[in-house]
Amino acid sequence: AQKITQTQPGMFVQEKEAVTLDCTYDTSDPSYGLFWYKQPSSGEMIFLIYQGSYDQQNATEGRYSLNFQKARKSANLVISASQLGDSAMYFCAMREGGIQGAQKLVFGQGTRLTINP
Amino acid sequence: KAGVTQTPRYLIKTRGQQVTLSCSPISGHRSVSWYQQTPGQGLQFLFEYFSETQRNKGNFPGRFSGRQFSNSRSEMNVSTLELGDSALYLCASSLVPTGLRNTEAFFGQGTRLTVV
Repeated sequence: AQKITQTQPGMFVQEKEAVTLDCTYDTSDPSYGLFWYKQPSSGEMIFLIYQGSYDQQNATEGRYSLNFQKARKSANLVISASQLGDSAMYFCAMREGGIQGAQKLVFGQGTRLTINP
Repeated sequence: KAGVTQTPRYLIKTRGQQVTLSCSPISGHRSVSWYQQTPGQGLQFLFEYFSETQRNKGNFPGRFSGRQFSNSRSEMNVSTLELGDSALYLCASSLVPTGLRNTEAFFGQGTRLTVV
């Protein structure tokens, strides 16, 4: 069963606009973490933002924020004021389990974001 | 603070050979995980090491193995290479979770392996 679903294979956005990348997840574990990574063409996976299942507030990191809706099992990434350098693949990932959980990330298929000037 | 370092960045091998990839985690991180990324299968978990012990393993054949040293550096080995092993191999390091809180995982730049 697919645990992480990213329904947008590709998105095109005008520079300076805000963009929302969708991610839904499936787990029965009460303790889990949700991650967003950016992968430019160079291949490196760049950590953007993290949300723990017990976190009360939505995570924010600079221009990145995570719209965490626990009941809907969604963890959408919001990029404000997009820049040309934001063009890349974006992956949503989940890790289940707390202290006994293995450090295993399950990834979605990714969304290719293209920022147009 | 140095990030996750993977060496080499690029590698070309022929079928049947074996290869060893290296990963040095962020200082203080004791968990190292390995992932394979291909266009067809996406990102797939290979295995995770913590304190020199393999804690979890993905669904890969026994040709894929790894180990972790006392300084937390990890190596991944693939024996009897096949064309389908061509991929980007990514390593991630993280702190061990404390309590119920998960922690962030940081990746290296990856090793791009081409099998010909």
